[in-house]
Amino acid sequence: TQLLEQSPQFLSIQEGENLTVYCNSSSVFSSLQWYRQEPGEGPVLLVTVVTGGEVKKLKRLTFQFGDARKDSSLHITAAQPGDTGLYLCAGAGNYGQNFVFGPGTRLSVLP
Amino acid sequence: GAGVSQSPRYKVAKRGQDVALRCDPISGHVSLFWYQQALGQGPEFLTYFQNEAQLDKSGLPSDRFFAERPEGSVSTLKIQRTQQEDSAVYLCASTLAGRGRDEQYFGPGTRLTVT
Repeated sequence: TQLLEQSPQFLSIQEGENLTVYCNSSSVFSSLQWYRQEPGEGPVLLVTVVTGGEVKKLKRLTFQFGDARKDSSLHITAAQPGDTGLYLCAGAGNYGQNFVFGPGTRLSVLP
Repeated sequence: GAGVSQSPRYKVAKRGQDVALRCDPISGHVSLFWYQQALGQGPEFLTYFQNEAQLDKSGLPSDRFFAERPEGSVSTLKIQRTQQEDSAVYLCASTLAGRGRDEQYFGPGTRLTVT
């Protein structure tokens, strides 16, 4: 069974600060996705990474896939209150299996 | 509508009752997924359809859970004889093609509370 761990579980920061959250596994994934989920809503895809060592930027968000495709990080620069939410990573196995989700990092950005 | 819709948004059931949760995927999307999300946790896979075929039901927690998608569009997740541990948000997602790396579009979920 492929499992994903995310850290930290909770993070509360002031507006303008930078932060990094992590997604780790002992398993290799063919691709990894990051989602953001707001209360009462379903997750919304932010990015998909597929190549070991890949870095993708989405405005103030930077995503990195580990060289061994077992881990990933999400870095947010100059966080804003609108970044508040549950950040989920989800990994896909090598044989088209279903995505496995991590437990999420709950981020709160205070104005 | 343009997105995935689910109904009802909230459902309260007494222990032992049967419930039916509906998912309307994005029109033309081939694949449909059901997930269960417990409070404070990430979504956990329940079952997967490609068109009307249920290709994977390995995540269904017990034989009280049943899902169908008879015409390859709308899907219904049925839970028989609900138990308190069934309380969770049930999410539906659809993708244009298969599973793999496709973007999943999620509905808002149905929050089920079993009392």
